[in-house]
This record gives sequence, C-alpha cells and structure tokens, in this order.
Amino acid sequence: GENVEQHPSTLSVQEGDSAVIKCTYSDSASNYFPWYKQELGKGPQLIIDIRSNVGEKKDQRIAVTLNKTAKHFSLHITETQPEDSAVYFCAASKKAAGNKLTFGGGTRVLVKP
Amino acid sequence: DTEVTQTPKHLVMGMTNKKSLKCEQHMGHRAMYWYKQKAKKPPELMFVYSYEKLSINESVPSRFSPECPNSSLLNLHLHALQPEDSALYLCASSQVFAGGSYNEQFFGPGTRLTVL
Repeated sequence: GENVEQHPSTLSVQEGDSAVIKCTYSDSASNYFPWYKQELGKGPQLIIDIRSNVGEKKDQRIAVTLNKTAKHFSLHITETQPEDSAVYFCAASKKAAGNKLTFGGGTRVLVKP
Repeated sequence: DTEVTQTPKHLVMGMTNKKSLKCEQHMGHRAMYWYKQKAKKPPELMFVYSYEKLSINESVPSRFSPECPNSSLLNLHLHALQPEDSALYLCASSQVFAGGSYNEQFFGPGTRLTVL
C-alpha cells in the first residue's frame, strides 16, 4: 500500500520567515495530494491540494509543488504569522483506493513572534 | 452550510458500556468517513461509506460498528471498548463525482473518547 513520509517533524521559524515541509510517497498511481492544518482541539482543515496533472499551485501565502518523477511534494508558507502555528499533515490518495487518504506523520510548526 | 458536525465533543465510557458517536453534514456529500487519531499521530482511516453503502472497512475490530442511516448522517456504535481505543474520532465527508472520482474531504471537529 501507499506510504507517505513527511519531514521535518517539528519546525520553528521566526515570524515573517518562510516554512517548507516536504513529503514523499511510494505509490506512483497516487494522483491527489492534499495538505491539512490541524490546530489544537480541532479537526484537520484542508488548506491546499494538488492533483497529479499540475506541478504547482498557489493560494496567497501558501504554495504546493509536486514532482511526480521523484514522487515528492512540498508545502511552502511565506511571510509566516503566529496563527500559522499548528500541525500540518500531507496526504496522498488515488481513485483506485476509494479515495483513501494516507497521511504523513505530521509537522508541528511553531512561528515565534 | 460547509460544516461537518460531530456529537458529543467529549465522551467517557466504561469497557462494558454501549455508546454512539454521531456525525452530520448538509453539503450534499455522498461519501462519509470515520477516522481515529491518537495523540501526536495522523488520522487513520477506519470506514468509508459511499452512497450510504459501506465501501471500505480497514479491518476495524467488531466492537466498532458504523451505520449510515441516510446521506447526511453517519453513526459509529461503540461496544465493549478497550482503554487503548481512547482517541479522537474524526468524521469527514466528500463529494463523489461521476466515474467514482472523489474530491477533498472536509473534517468535523472530532469526538474525544476516553475508555476507562
């Protein structure tokens, strides 16, 4: 089955700096890659996603890049703010697996003011 | 309404109790999911319902029994749980497009379950 590795497990950045989280996946048939943000005491919230026919996607301060050949994708957050502090999960899925999301281990991001 | 709601928010139960978790969405989504999340870990898929039919059971013990009474509701019935079943139980929903393609999953806030 699919295996998703996520790095780093913790990330501390100064407010205003950029944060980058990287994920690799094992199943070349995976075609949908969402990123979720989970704040303390809340459920995961989708922040951005990318499909395998696209190499990059941006939404304001957030961007995701996908390298299908290398089977890795990354989340970039620019101009970080304290409210970006949370746990971020990457995930991968494919239609053939019934949209089962396989999550990475998570990255705890701390933005220091 | 773009929200998935879950009740109760917190639940404490003994190992001999029977309880149920409830999930509701009014986004017209026809796929609904149950996940289990332990502390500092990612969510783990338990069950998937598509058009009110169980489509995926990730080898979950029978002490967890899902039910999808209609397209907006998803229940998880709990019986004879173990302390190691204590976790955050998350419900999610998504659209199902023609050809079986799925879209992004929207998660509820979860039910924090403690088994004594």
